[in-house]
Amino acid sequence: DVQLVQSGTEVKNPGESLTISCRGSGYSFISYWINWVRQLPGEGLEWMGTIDPNDSHTDYSPSFQGHVTISVDKSISTAYLHWSSLKASDTAMYYCAVLTGWGQGTLVSVSS
Amino acid sequence: DIQMTQSPASLSASEGDRVTITCRASQGMSNSLAWYQQKPGQVPKLLIHAASTLHSGVPSRFSGSRSGTDFTLTINSLQPEDVATYYCQKYDSAPRTFGQGTKVEIK
Repeated sequence: DVQLVQSGTEVKNPGESLTISCRGSGYSFISYWINWVRQLPGEGLEWMGTIDPNDSHTDYSPSFQGHVTISVDKSISTAYLHWSSLKASDTAMYYCAVLTGWGQGTLVSVSS
Repeated sequence: DIQMTQSPASLSASEGDRVTITCRASQGMSNSLAWYQQKPGQVPKLLIHAASTLHSGVPSRFSGSRSGTDFTLTINSLQPEDVATYYCQKYDSAPRTFGQGTKVEIK
């Protein structure tokens, strides 16, 4: 079974950098594109971007292009989502997902 | 880019009712359309992929279909445990857009 395990809750100040992770197991990690999805409090699901673990090709939503960076280390079956400068509006739950499975979510809180 | 318009935004139905939710694509697309269920406070779960293929372990009262650019999720005989928000997503190519979500409640 697909298992995606994400890193834990983060509490940050505006302007700080942050990288959260997503480790896959139980399937061939390079076979499925990994998506990152944002869910603002009380809101719907927003697709942020996707990475192909096989060659690290990425696609981003225009809404997130330039504000986040998606990367992968296939040697350790782990994908990453990185911000170089967080904003308060980045406060949300972030999920990694492949078609048949989702991570448990990482809560990111940004506040001064 | 293909936009996905999901309707209705919310619905309330009685236990045992048949419920339908629709996602309309702005242009022709492949069958790479998934439906997810998200219960309050939980992680989304896959119900249907490839427009009409039931994911393993999902109750058979859930079904998916397609007519042209309209994709439909049907819940036959709504159960109390089906209270959730449902989302469609196109997953063949970027942007892998989600629908706006449909909140399903029991009367």
